[in-house]
Amino acid sequence: GIQVEQSPPDLILQEGANSTLRCNFSDSVNNLQWFHQNPWGQLINLFYIPSGTKQNGRLSATTVATERYSLLYISSSQTTDSGVYFCAVGTSSNTGKLIFGQGTTLQVKP
Amino acid sequence: DTGVSQDPRHKITKRGQNVTFRCDPISEHNRLYWYRQTLGQGPEFLTYFQNEAQLEKSRLLSDRFSAERPKGSFSTLEIQRTEQGDSAMYLCASSTTTGFHGYTFGSGTRLTVV
Repeated sequence: GIQVEQSPPDLILQEGANSTLRCNFSDSVNNLQWFHQNPWGQLINLFYIPSGTKQNGRLSATTVATERYSLLYISSSQTTDSGVYFCAVGTSSNTGKLIFGQGTTLQVKP
Repeated sequence: DTGVSQDPRHKITKRGQNVTFRCDPISEHNRLYWYRQTLGQGPEFLTYFQNEAQLEKSRLLSDRFSAERPKGSFSTLEIQRTEQGDSAMYLCASSTTTGFHGYTFGSGTRLTVV
């Protein structure tokens, strides 16, 4: 099955710093989503981005489908950005089943 | 709509007991998914419903696990004869059929088997 690898596994930032999280996947996908899991365990959908670039406030994401990777950019990080960021991919048009990476744990220090 | 609701939030059970979890999806979403997440790992797919039909099951879903979605509304996940290895967060999500927008997770049910 498809493999999803995220890097780095852990990241510590000072408030205000920028960061880039990476997601590599081993096969073609028709569904790629980024999620943030907050310290209370809630998974929040950040982006649906199987290709191209999207921006939402301080967050933006780019997926280069032909090269099988996606990047999540966080600018001017805040303590509330702390948590685990997951990349998840899907390969079937018939279901919305997602395969998740192992996540990047981000800690933003004040 | 208040999003995807899961009940209970926490469940502690003795090994060998049966447990049942409930998920209420977003009302206009006809796809419903169950995932399991253990500490330090990403969520793993368990099963998927489109309306009331269970269309895919993971090999992770042993014979002790069963899921239903009567009338295509809420769903239940039952684990029979629980084992300590079943301890995990059980997450429910829902989405629309057309495209993959609006993929929304509930807060999860944390199961501890003692």
